[in-house]
Amino acid sequence: GQNIDQPTEMTATEGAIVQINCTYQTSGFNGLFWYQQHAGEAPTFLSYNVLDGLEEKGRFSSFLSRSKGYSYLLLKELQMKDSASYLCAALDSNYQLIWGAGTKLIIKP
Amino acid sequence: NAGVTQTPKFRVLKTGQSMTLLCAQDMNHEYMYWYRQDPGMGLRLIHYSVGEGTTAKGEVPDGYNVSRLKKQNFLLGLESAAPSQTSVYFCASSNKGQGEIGELFFGEGSRLTVL
Repeated sequence: GQNIDQPTEMTATEGAIVQINCTYQTSGFNGLFWYQQHAGEAPTFLSYNVLDGLEEKGRFSSFLSRSKGYSYLLLKELQMKDSASYLCAALDSNYQLIWGAGTKLIIKP
Repeated sequence: NAGVTQTPKFRVLKTGQSMTLLCAQDMNHEYMYWYRQDPGMGLRLIHYSVGEGTTAKGEVPDGYNVSRLKKQNFLLGLESAAPSQTSVYFCASSNKGQGEIGELFFGEGSRLTVL
């Protein structure tokens, strides 16, 4: 079956760095997305990776290893507004998105 | 620029009642989706549409129907609501679809409770 695993909850300190991991098992693979979702709000797009390696976008970076079925989202210089859930989603061979349950990130002052 | 708009935002239904959720997008996107989001689970696709007049089943279509009579609107109907349909429903649109890659633009969600 197809599956996405990511930690349920993480806690980090304002100004620090946090890495949110995601492992996936899909029928085929056409890329991996990360979305941010603040409580009670809509998910918003953060990043898309299809090739191995690190993609940097400001304070956020996303990494992909296709051979390991593994991705991570790296958040630097954490701010209180980064408190949110982070959703990992893999695109399978039929271009259907398989979603993880999300990682709730709590930022403490 | 409103993006994706869902109505209503909140609704409480009794078992057996029917209702329709409306999704409207002003980005001229071809592809539209209805998801449900439940605690501890990933987003699950209910139905989707690849263009005006077309609809297709997703992962969890049972108990729901959809229509895409106009390109900008995608309606989700519950004919006879059940407590298992208590959830937050998200509509999304994309200018990409099958065989292509594109980000999804989500509405703010509709919280439905079925008693």
